[in-house]
Amino acid sequence: QKEVEQNSGPLSVPEGAIASLNCTYSDRGSQSFFWYRQYSGKSPELIMSIYSNGDKEDGRFTAQLNKASQYVSLLIRDSQPSDSATYLCAVKEDTGFQKLVFGTGTRLLVSP
Amino acid sequence: DTGVSQDPRHKITKRGQNVTFRCDPISEHNRLYWYRQTLGQGPEFLTYFQNEAQLEKSRLLSDRFSAERPKGSFSTLEIQRTEQGDSAMYLCASSISGAQYFGPGTRLLVL
Repeated sequence: QKEVEQNSGPLSVPEGAIASLNCTYSDRGSQSFFWYRQYSGKSPELIMSIYSNGDKEDGRFTAQLNKASQYVSLLIRDSQPSDSATYLCAVKEDTGFQKLVFGTGTRLLVSP
Repeated sequence: DTGVSQDPRHKITKRGQNVTFRCDPISEHNRLYWYRQTLGQGPEFLTYFQNEAQLEKSRLLSDRFSAERPKGSFSTLEIQRTEQGDSAMYLCASSISGAQYFGPGTRLLVL
């Protein structure tokens, strides 16, 4: 069973700080990686996708991928209380299948 | 709103009843996915369509579950003889390739 692991949290940061969310995956052949944000009672919302090693920035969000270490992270700069949510890491395996395998999510709490 | 839509948003049913959910993907997306999510867990893949063809099916999808996408547009997910363990959020997503975009979900409660 291919796995995606995340610390469930909660990760608590003060407003304005950098929040760092981490994810590891077991399938070395995985090629596509996604971060979703999910507010309580709502559906997942795509924040970032990353396909190659290195950093990808989009506004306050930076995704980082290290395939050798099988590690993907999400940095949120200038964290806001509205960023408080569960962040889901998802991986598409390199098996020809299209399904995403999700971690259980990390709950982020940003305090004013 | 041109996103993925799902209907109904909430469904309460009694054990043993059949339920059917509908998903309308983003109009130009040929790929459609169903996932199920329970409290404290990430979404779990159920099935995948490319156009009208059902190409992937999870072992989670017992014979009580059936999904269709007859004309390659909207999709339905039917659960027969519902059980209390079927209570969950049922999520539909669509894509052209790469990233999948989720609808609002259908929350099912089986009493």
